Amino acid sequence: QVVLTQSPSASASLGASVKLSCSLSSGYETYAIAWHQQRPGKGPRYLMKVNGDGSLVKGGGIPDRFSGSSSGAERFLTISSLQSEDEADYYCQTWGTRIRVVFGGGTKLTVL
Amino acid sequence: QVHLVESGGGVVQPGGSLRLSCAASGFNFGIYGMHWVRQAPGKGLEWVAFIRSDGSTEDYADSVKGRFTISRDNSKDMLYLQMHRLRPEDTATYYCAKSWERWLDRFDHWGQGNLVTVSS
Repeated sequence: QVVLTQSPSASASLGASVKLSCSLSSGYETYAIAWHQQRPGKGPRYLMKVNGDGSLVKGGGIPDRFSGSSSGAERFLTISSLQSEDEADYYCQTWGTRIRVVFGGGTKLTVL
Repeated sequence: QVHLVESGGGVVQPGGSLRLSCAASGFNFGIYGMHWVRQAPGKGLEWVAFIRSDGSTEDYADSVKGRFTISRDNSKDMLYLQMHRLRPEDTATYYCAKSWERWLDRFDHWGQGNLVTVSS
């Protein structure tokens, strides 16, 4: 079964950039993932899909400050020009007929 | 604009039943798969169930298989989750989510969530 590994926490200063990672377990290195943002007390919001080749499909209305990339089994979410509203939990998700739907444990981002 | 609104949550005793509903609007409901996802208090996201656009295929997390049933009424743009034999560990906020495709795929829109508390 696939496992998605995320760091539990990250922090960066207002106006800076931060790069969050999601690691796919062995045997699943080519899978695409999706990033979702969950602000405190709110439902999640889809940000983007990141394919194994690094190509992206962003959700509607997602600012250009949010971008994604890929390297091997790692999928990344980069947020530039950090704003206070970016303080949230970020989850990666993958899916497939064999694996159904799997989430990473989430990364809590603190904007300093 | 896609809008998903869950309802039907509340407090229920262990062993009891509850039915959640999700009202969909702003898109052609009948051509997209739909999911239920839950989040226990202070915890991460857990996928619960999926139903294909035409209702022909369902799938469930092992933790709920045999107790929960996902269904949909495309004539009413409604998604449901019937929950039986509820356990304290089912306590969570339940979200409905729209699939990108007719089949199981990533979620591209989420509801605001509905809290289910299983407690005596």
